[in-house]
Amino acid sequence: SQELEQSPQSLIVQEGKNLTINCTSSKTLYGLYWYKQKYGEGLIFLMMLQKGGEEKSHEKITAKLDEKKQQSSLHITASQPSHAGIYLCGAERSNYQLIWGAGTKLIIKP
Amino acid sequence: NAGVTQTPKFRILKIGQSMTLQCTQDMNHNYMYWYRQDPGMGLKLIYYSVGAGITDKGEVPNGYNVSRSTTEDFPLRLELAAPSQTSVYFCASTSSVNTDTQYFGPGTRLTVL
Repeated sequence: SQELEQSPQSLIVQEGKNLTINCTSSKTLYGLYWYKQKYGEGLIFLMMLQKGGEEKSHEKITAKLDEKKQQSSLHITASQPSHAGIYLCGAERSNYQLIWGAGTKLIIKP
Repeated sequence: NAGVTQTPKFRILKIGQSMTLQCTQDMNHNYMYWYRQDPGMGLKLIYYSVGAGITDKGEVPNGYNVSRSTTEDFPLRLELAAPSQTSVYFCASTSSVNTDTQYFGPGTRLTVL
């Protein structure tokens, strides 16, 4: 099993609906990153969370860090076609290396 | 700033051939990374560098080599290409001052036949 587990693996959501993606670590989380990837492109930084209970928002995307559960959730409100893509979480380890979850593929149905 | 640039975007290699994937960043970042991304597996770190002249192995270094002669460039070398190296390769960089964000290149899609 991976050190960072993302769920679900894929998600199909009707446009306008809300959704949540989870990222759970088997080790203590010190820094948790969320990135978005569109097919055939690189990764775009969304947010970074460092402290337990921390919550950050960017436009309609909100990410939270639950230190006790060693888990982060990414919530999208009123989804739009532009939200489609693969969402990856990364956790900071030594020397600013990141280990990564396998990704969650999000499809938005019009 | 161009950010992180990678060349080529696509490449097909025959087994046993060699090639170099180029990566350049113009943000004066000290830290640079090479990842490979396989379907359903997320990103795996191949090699990383914390500054010019310093490189170190990541999770999956076998079959690859890197060098870091300048701050800007971090090429990845495949000496004897194998089908298992078919993947999408991403280069990334981050500042040692502000490590909040890793900036990624657009990727190189490599197929080894």
